[in-house]
Formats: sequence, structure tokens, C-alpha cells
Amino acid sequence: EAGVTQFPSHSVIEKGQTVTLRCDPISGHDNLYWYRRVMGKEIKFLLHFVKESKQDESGMPNNRFLAERTGGTYSTLKVQPAELEDSGVYFCASRHHTNTGELFFGEGSRLTVL
Amino acid sequence: AQTVTQSQPEMSVQEAETVTLSCTYDTSENNYYLFWYKQPPSRQMILVIRQEAYKQQNATENRFSVNFQKAAKSFSLKISDSQLGDTAMYFCAFMKLSGTASKLTFGTGTRLQVTL
Repeated sequence: EAGVTQFPSHSVIEKGQTVTLRCDPISGHDNLYWYRRVMGKEIKFLLHFVKESKQDESGMPNNRFLAERTGGTYSTLKVQPAELEDSGVYFCASRHHTNTGELFFGEGSRLTVL
Repeated sequence: AQTVTQSQPEMSVQEAETVTLSCTYDTSENNYYLFWYKQPPSRQMILVIRQEAYKQQNATENRFSVNFQKAAKSFSLKISDSQLGDTAMYFCAFMKLSGTASKLTFGTGTRLQVTL
């Protein structure tokens, strides 16, 4: 069974540009989460999808961040325009609705904004 | 809001020795899960061990065990017979039980280096 996959693994962009990160959850997992880790700090929650609906987006920093999950399968997280403080590692995780607790994580997408 | 604190940014242990990673948390919830996740270098984060708050018995997974002190809000991880493959970032995490609205709250992590 394929795990959670994320693309790209690393992206370097200039301030003001746009980046789109993609996450493919484990097949059949209706819960999908986005997290971000800024260097040396804790991993912070961004948002949570249940199927295609946003269950909780309380962690989204501002309106420069847009997450979508059309059709309830893969998800994208777009940052537009990117700022220096957006640099970090963006993690995606998924969970089956019958599994209380364990999230399965991707390897993360490292974003560097210059 | 829940908070998770890991007070040890880095730790080192020799192979075959035992090491304990500390974690404390703050919550007003009574029903929740606690987790330890491990992220090896350049690899994805994986679950090491999980503890349900309503269970008094400490969880154990092979060489990994926890010391869960609910009243003290403490959740330490003990790794016995450390192996080189245990070298990783370890994150303590909290999840409250609230139906579909579930998310993990993480600590800042402890970098563990296992040496020969």
C-alpha cells in the first residue's frame, strides 16, 4: 500500500512568487491534514479536511494560503504571494475515519523563500 | 488550548543503553490521546507509541515504553537497548477526542543521536 506522498520535496522561490504543494493521501483515508514546521519550532497545525470539506482551518496563517481538496482525494496548498516567513517544511498527513488517533505522514515539502 | 512541551532539544545515548525523553502537556480535557512520533533523517514521520488517557497501564511497544502520569500531565518515552536506527527527531503529540474534529498538537521535538 502506498503511503502519503508529497510533491515537491523541496522548492526554492523568491519572495512574491507562488508555490503549490501537493499531497496524495493513502487511498481511502478521508481525513487529510496539513502541518508546517518552521526551523527549530514545533510542528503547527494548518488545516484539516474530511473528504472535500474543510473541517478545521483555524491554523491557516493568513489569506495568502489556500488549500483545496477537490473530489476528496489529493490536496493542494498554494501560497501566493510567498513571504520570507513562509519558509519551512510542510507536512501532509492522512487518517482513516475508523482509526482514532494515528496519522500517517508524508516526507514533507521543504519550502525556501528567498 | 492544548500545549505540549519538550524541554530537551537534543540528547545523545550510546548504543545498547537506555534513554528517556521528557514531555509535559497542558489541557483541560479528560479524554485524549498522547503520541510519540519519530522522524529519521530525510524520512517521513512515523508513529512510535500511543497512549489513551483513560488507560492507567503504560503503553509498550517492544523496546519503547512510556511513563504516563495523568495527574502530573507528563508523558515520557523510554527507549531501551538503543540502536543506531533510533537516531531521529522525536515529537510528543496530543490529540483530544472530539469526533471528527481531531488534530495533533506537537511539541518542539527532541533530536536523539545514538552513538557507538
